[in-house]
Parts: sequence; structure tokens; C-alpha cells
Amino acid sequence: EVQLVESGGGLVQPGGSLRLSCAASGFTFSNYGMNWVRQAPGKGLEWVSYISTRSSTIYYVDSVRGRFTISRDNAKNSLYLQMNSLRDEDTAVYFCARTSAESDYFEYWGQGTLVTVSS
Amino acid sequence: QLVLTQSPSASASLGASVKLTCTLSSGRTTYAIAWHQQQPEKGPRYLMKLNSDGSYNKGDGVPDRFSGSSSGTERYLTISSLQSEDEADYYCQTWGTGIHVVFGGGTKLNVL
Repeated sequence: EVQLVESGGGLVQPGGSLRLSCAASGFTFSNYGMNWVRQAPGKGLEWVSYISTRSSTIYYVDSVRGRFTISRDNAKNSLYLQMNSLRDEDTAVYFCARTSAESDYFEYWGQGTLVTVSS
Repeated sequence: QLVLTQSPSASASLGASVKLTCTLSSGRTTYAIAWHQQQPEKGPRYLMKLNSDGSYNKGDGVPDRFSGSSSGTERYLTISSLQSEDEADYYCQTWGTGIHVVFGGGTKLNVL
């Protein structure tokens, strides 16, 4: 059974940093691209970042480029999101999602971890 | 610009059928999309990949009550024999070079 379990969320002040993790199991992690997607309170889904299987290709949404860094450790079956210079508008539940082997849609999702940016 | 448009809400009665629509921006008739369901207080769940020709591939364990179809720039999700657990938000998603991933705004489905 494919499982994606996020952790690392919490309350942080504006300008602060946080590192999210996503532990993957039930599939060969190194064979799939991975993503972070967020959902602000009461809002829809927003794609945040993508990383390819060997980390050679990375994309970010414009609003986080230069502040967030996606990474992965295939030996540990783990995905990460380092978030720096956090803003109020980064408050959201953050989901990790596995990309399909054939194309860029998301086949599996985690349950999410809440990040609250507030003073 | 690649945009997906969804109606904010829909409603249908228990046991009935409902057809949700996701509209691609003008001219994008060949794009595939994916449908995802998000029940209250849960992470999203992948339902299906829907191609422009109306063929679709469903995710693990997705009931037969869920089906997809396509026409031009419109992509549809039909849910038949509605059950209470179908009350959820439904999002469409597409992808492309340069923009990577785009989500529609979501449709909140109320089962009456």
C-alpha cells in the first residue's frame, strides 16, 4: 500500500523557517517524481514545487521561488521542503503528492501537515 | 495561459447522478486532466486521469459509480448512485511545459 506521511508543520513567526518532511512507503520511491501542494484555510489546492527522480529537474511556483527549497533522499525514501523567509500568506496545509510514472498528474497524496505563520 | 475553470458548487440528491465540469482555457482541446476528491478534513484522493478522447484510467479502489467524459475543452466527472460519502470537494488538475501543474478552483458537491 502506498503511503505518504508528512511531518514538520507548526507555528512559526513571519520571517522564520521550517522544514517539512514526507516519508514514503509501499513503492520504489526513487522511480517517481514528487511534489508539494498547499491549501490555505478555506481555499483550493495550489501546487508549490516538483522534484524529479534524481533531483535533476526542479520547479517552483513563482510565489515561493528563492524562499523554498525542495529536496529528496532516495536512500531514506523521503521528500523535504525547506521553507525560509515565511510570510503570513504561506499559512496552509502542505501535502506531498506522488507524480504518475507516465505523466505529471498526482496518483497518491499524503494527509497533510499544517503550517501557520503568525506573530 | 493555461487555466481550469470549475463551478464553485453543485448539489444532487442521494441516489441520483451528478455531472461536474472542468473547462480548459480556449483552444486547449487536446489536454488531459486528472480528477481528485477531497472529503472534509482529509487529504485529496486521485480519482482518474481523463484524456481528451474521453478515455480514462481510474485510481486504486475508485468505485464504478465514478466515470469521465470529454468534449472540446470540457472535461466531465459523472458520479452515479450518489452516496453521502460523495459529499466532498472535487478538483481538476492539468499539466504542461513551462507551467508544470495547474488546479481548477474546485467544486463543492452537496448531497441532499
